Amino acid sequence: QLVLTQSPSASASLGASVKLTCTLSSGHSSYAIAWHQQQPEKGPRYLMKVNSDGSHSKGDGIPDRFSGSSSGAERYLTISSLQSEDEADYYCQTWGTGIRVFGGGTKLTVL
Amino acid sequence: QVQLVESGGGLVRPGGSLRLSCAASGFTFSDFYMSWIRQAPGKGLEWVSYISSSGSTIYYADSVKGRFTISRDNAKNSLYLQMNSLRAEDTAVYYCAREADIDMDYWGQGTLVTVSS
Repeated sequence: QLVLTQSPSASASLGASVKLTCTLSSGHSSYAIAWHQQQPEKGPRYLMKVNSDGSHSKGDGIPDRFSGSSSGAERYLTISSLQSEDEADYYCQTWGTGIRVFGGGTKLTVL
Repeated sequence: QVQLVESGGGLVRPGGSLRLSCAASGFTFSDFYMSWIRQAPGKGLEWVSYISSSGSTIYYADSVKGRFTISRDNAKNSLYLQMNSLRAEDTAVYYCAREADIDMDYWGQGTLVTVSS
């Protein structure tokens, strides 16, 4: 079964960096994923696609502070030089024939 | 620029029906798969359904299969979600999203559906 696992919460200080993790279920380690950001009271916004080889392609207007990487079944979103507006929920998402799957989301708090 | 605008949400009684619409602009609508995704109050994102660019391929989440119907009108640049036999657990903000190379790369602002007596 295709499942994405995320830690429920993370925190980091203003100006620091943070690395969020999304783990693919067993047997699906070759899958690409997408990262989406949802700021409070707003709709989701697409950030980027991260491939199994660690390459990534960002959405329109996404700052260079956001980057993606991979290791095995894990896909990462790294945000550097954290700003207050980065405080949001972050969801990973993947796909198969006939299905789209979201992780449970990580709530990022900027201290 | 790409815009997706949902409408049609509201308050409906359990067992009732509602039809959501998503108006697309700023891109060639007929070239893209489209999805509906929902978010219950205080919860995460849940994929509901997707439809291929021509409308020939459609899939649903198990939670809505047999009750919801996705469709599109490429001439009107519009996506629809017909929701029947609504339940309290269908209460959520419903978003439409464009799929580009399978990524959901643009989202609408959402429309709230509340199922309550």
